[in-house]
Amino acid sequence: GAGVSQTPSNKVTEKGKYVELRCDPISGHTALYWYRQSLGQGPEFLIYFQGTGAADDSGLPNDRFFAVRPEGSVSTLKIQRTERGDSAVYLCASSPTAGANVLTFGAGSRLTVL
Amino acid sequence: AQSVTQLDSQVPVFEEAPVELRCNYSSSVSVYLFWYVQYPNQGLQLLLKYLSGSTLVKGINGFEAEFNKSQTSFHLRKPSVHISDTAEYFCAVQPQGGSEKLVFGKGTKLTVNP
Repeated sequence: GAGVSQTPSNKVTEKGKYVELRCDPISGHTALYWYRQSLGQGPEFLIYFQGTGAADDSGLPNDRFFAVRPEGSVSTLKIQRTERGDSAVYLCASSPTAGANVLTFGAGSRLTVL
Repeated sequence: AQSVTQLDSQVPVFEEAPVELRCNYSSSVSVYLFWYVQYPNQGLQLLLKYLSGSTLVKGINGFEAEFNKSQTSFHLRKPSVHISDTAEYFCAVQPQGGSEKLVFGKGTKLTVNP
């Protein structure tokens, strides 16, 4: 596609529920990144994929968060047992390859946990 | 570890006035430096980056930034702003040496008034 697509754009859920957020990167981009942006803060790194494998997941806050990229294209960020503190905008970005220093970001998925 | 400080959370200016958005960083290793812009309801867009070479870098939309290693700063400037420059601006650093992780500041909201 022309850009990085993220769905849903908005998600409202209840505390304790399971949520999946999807990212469609730019076609051919091998590197994919997830960031989280809380209100009034800059984006915070969560995880980075090179191809199908998670090359760096050091930013995932705890084991309720998990991300996959099974075919090296689309990625899904999964959050179990959501908490109110998980409310944020989740940003996905892609790059032609690692080390390219050029990230293209999607518009984000806004998650609200009631 | 790296940290980024954007000294001004909000900067109001009049149209056609010059503007400087300040960014200071802390890092024990050499870093690459970036400025991103976020328009309402849009993804982050790369304005400019410093990887090496000339310390004065020019970006899109007439913006430029100067890397000052001794002051660990990377301030963003534009000599004459337009209404359309109203947006949030984020400074970010990435450690050199293989890490793909961007560390962002909290952002500066630039409001250009007529």
